Amino acid sequence: QKEVEQDPGPLSVPEGAIVSLNCTYSNSAFQYFMWYRQYSRKGPELLMYTYSSGNKEDGRFTAQVDKSSKYISLFIRDSQPSDSATYLCAMWEGAQKLVFGQGTRLTINP
Amino acid sequence: GAVVSQHPSRVICKSGTSVKIECRSLDFQATTMFWYRQFPKKSLMLMATSNEGSKATYEQGVEKDKFLINHASLTLSTLTVTSAHPEDSSFYICSARVTSGISEQFFGPGTRLTVL
Repeated sequence: QKEVEQDPGPLSVPEGAIVSLNCTYSNSAFQYFMWYRQYSRKGPELLMYTYSSGNKEDGRFTAQVDKSSKYISLFIRDSQPSDSATYLCAMWEGAQKLVFGQGTRLTINP
Repeated sequence: GAVVSQHPSRVICKSGTSVKIECRSLDFQATTMFWYRQFPKKSLMLMATSNEGSKATYEQGVEKDKFLINHASLTLSTLTVTSAHPEDSSFYICSARVTSGISEQFFGPGTRLTVL
């Protein structure tokens, strides 16, 4: 079993829809949870970063962490074509390397 | 803030030559930098962790004599692909961890290496 599982998609939704991206994990020591956005042929860009359980909102983006279920989510409201990218979740327990999910390819159709 | 640059962005070289890729943290100091390799439509594969002033720690299966990493200062790390072969063609991405105690890790734009 991988430490971090993420559905690779592809996921295609119409413009304006609410998008839900998810990751599950097995290592209960993870404390830091990140979401990165990666456009084609570019490096990943840090979108959101949360520590422990709870919600964090930044504009149209909401990151949610449920440590009891070992489940994290990223919600995108009022999705735009410019949101089309690959979204990677990543986790860290504070000492070793970041562990990435496989990435979900998202397309927002105008 | 928290910008990481890479140079070059794209390089094409002949088989057998060596290629050096630079990674710089432009507006912060990074005691730890990371080098990743990414294949098309795949996630990032960590190659090595580079700490300023000490030897890099390589992940299992990564040849340290082939992928030479130097972290000469708090803002610069280099990856040299020695005696490159076509199978080394890939997208190489570096990242830097902020040293202020926060766990944020920022990535460079990547370098596309093509070995002919």
